[in-house]
Amino acid sequence: QVQLVESGGGLVKPGESLRLSCEGSGFTFGDYFMSWIRQAPGKGLEWVAYIGSSGTTIYYLDSVKGRFTISRDNAKDSLFLQMNSLRAEDTAVYYCARDDGYSYGFTYWGRGTRVTVSS
Amino acid sequence: QSVLTQPPSVSGAPGQSVTISCTGTTSNIGEDFDVHWYQHLPGRAPKLLIYGDNSRPSGVPDRFSASRSGASASLVITGLQGEDEADYYCQSYDSGPTSHVVFGGGTKLTVL
Repeated sequence: QVQLVESGGGLVKPGESLRLSCEGSGFTFGDYFMSWIRQAPGKGLEWVAYIGSSGTTIYYLDSVKGRFTISRDNAKDSLFLQMNSLRAEDTAVYYCARDDGYSYGFTYWGRGTRVTVSS
Repeated sequence: QSVLTQPPSVSGAPGQSVTISCTGTTSNIGEDFDVHWYQHLPGRAPKLLIYGDNSRPSGVPDRFSASRSGASASLVITGLQGEDEADYYCQSYDSGPTSHVVFGGGTKLTVL
């Protein structure tokens, strides 16, 4: 069955960096678009970044542009989110999700990894 | 402030029906982008409930249905069960400059 497992979250200070990873299994990882989605404490879901199947097409939420970098390694069935210059407002649970496109939505999600940015 | 507007909470007794609304604008739902719905239990992975406006993935009971009209969409849950108590989110896409994907703020369903 399809599984997505995130890792790499933790507690960091404002301005520091963190790299999140997501390992996929149960499907041909390199055939699918992927996204990162987050949920801040007490808030709703917020899409953060998208990467096409080959890694050449990338989109970001405006507030993370220039600070976050999404990437993937299809040979290792892995998705990454490099987060630099972290701010308190980036505190959230970060989910990776398989993005099956406009007509099908986010079909599978991981259980998330928690990122806390606090001094 | 989420781009798509949902009621913060709804409630219903077991066996009853509830409707969760999702209101967008002409740059997202009104621009004919598909609407998807997710069920989220705290501590669990969100689950796709409805895709492509009104289609159910395999395994989702037919008690869950959805529709759209203009720049709005609705999720209907009939025959409420205790296990339906969760947060529900609508999601679509946006042609505006700030975000490619937009979610509603979420609706907490309480089964009384």
